[in-house]
Amino acid sequence: NAGVTQTPKFQVLKTGQSMTLQCAQDMNHEYMSWYRQDPGMGLRLIHYSVGAGITDQGEVPNGYNVSRSTTEDFPLRLLSAAPSQTSVYFCASSYSLRASTDTQYFGPGTRLTVL
Amino acid sequence: KQEVTQIPAALSVPEGENLVLNCSFTDSAIYNLQWFRQDPGKGLTSLLLIQSSQREQTSGRLNASLDKSSGRSTLYIAASQPGDSATYLCAPVNSGGSNYKLTFGKGTLLTVNP
Repeated sequence: NAGVTQTPKFQVLKTGQSMTLQCAQDMNHEYMSWYRQDPGMGLRLIHYSVGAGITDQGEVPNGYNVSRSTTEDFPLRLLSAAPSQTSVYFCASSYSLRASTDTQYFGPGTRLTVL
Repeated sequence: KQEVTQIPAALSVPEGENLVLNCSFTDSAIYNLQWFRQDPGKGLTSLLLIQSSQREQTSGRLNASLDKSSGRSTLYIAASQPGDSATYLCAPVNSGGSNYKLTFGKGTLLTVNP
């Protein structure tokens, strides 16, 4: 298993540009989520999905869109990048957070800089 | 809203020392609590998961305890090694409907000196 993969590893954008951060998992996990990690702020949940076709907002959803057309993929779209979106983005998955034995598996992260 | 505090923010110890990392949370209605490790520039790796009905969980030199009623968890690392140097994060999982989520603390940066 490749686990959770994210592309790209690094990205530099100009203010106003759009882009999609890719996330894929090959573990047949139902639950997938996106976090951003900022110095002094910890990890904050952006959006999550409990299965294909089902998404919901997390703590900091503004400026981001998601969709979940397949179990494997959960892309994160930045509609119009802003400097405040400079961060490290992590994708995570688990079989289901309803099961008390489920752990979260994290991808390696995408480091995004918005100029 | 769940709030998670980790103390200390940073810790430096000599190799071989036993140490304790602390995590406190404000909402005790948790489903489980997970401890993660993050190496610089890397993603998070799950270390231990404690179910809300459990008091502790062990994996090798790691032992995590949970006191749900008081909103506290500790991660005990025995006989620390330089390879244990990393940031350690705790994350309680809140229950209720379909809105399951992890809330992360800011982490404890551990340095184990040879």
